[in-house]
Amino acid sequence: DGGITQSPKYLFRKEGQNVTLSCEQNLNHDAMYWYRQDPGQGLRLIYYSQIVNDFQKGDIAEGYSVSREKKESFPLTVTSAQKNPTAFYLCASGYPGSPQHFGDGTRLSIL
Amino acid sequence: QQQVKQSPQSLIVQKGGISIINCAYENTAFDYFPWYQQFPGKGPALLIAIRPDVSEKKEGRFTISFNKSAKQFSLHIMDSQPGDSATYFCAAELGGSQGNLIFGKGTKLSVKP
Repeated sequence: DGGITQSPKYLFRKEGQNVTLSCEQNLNHDAMYWYRQDPGQGLRLIYYSQIVNDFQKGDIAEGYSVSREKKESFPLTVTSAQKNPTAFYLCASGYPGSPQHFGDGTRLSIL
Repeated sequence: QQQVKQSPQSLIVQKGGISIINCAYENTAFDYFPWYQQFPGKGPALLIAIRPDVSEKKEGRFTISFNKSAKQFSLHIMDSQPGDSATYFCAAELGGSQGNLIFGKGTKLSVKP
């Protein structure tokens, strides 16, 4: 059945390491989004993409990078430049003016 | 201008009671207002949504009330149940923003049996 799959569910990052979070959707949505969720902070937009091979920075893009080579896939890389990466990362997809559908998140922690 | 302010931060309600969560915004260009429900360790799921040309929308026990002149909207959960215990987020989408949502900071609801 259709949905958004995020993997892994838990991820640990060592000092100076880049890590990549996977997001795949089979909803045929054009737009995909990455959010960061911290306790008491709501969801903050990191990057978004409206079409393949195009993406834009959100409110907190520093220390992150993305790619959109396929409609179904929107991986997020947390680079070593992100000094406070511990958070719950959520991927979503949708169409403008319609509900965004979310995956079940990846929890990233520092080793 | 781009913020959505949500209150209260946490809410405790007795089973069978009414839960009310409020949100306020400044930017009149927002044109779509969804509410999401999130359980621990899961992603948010759409609960109900409204557009500013409607003052109220009801789906089962969940109702959105929308006051365009006051730039406020609220979620009412009637006959609250322990299974409703979750974090609720309001959000707003800017018209022409390519679907980008601005989220409130969330309300943690606990329904006591």
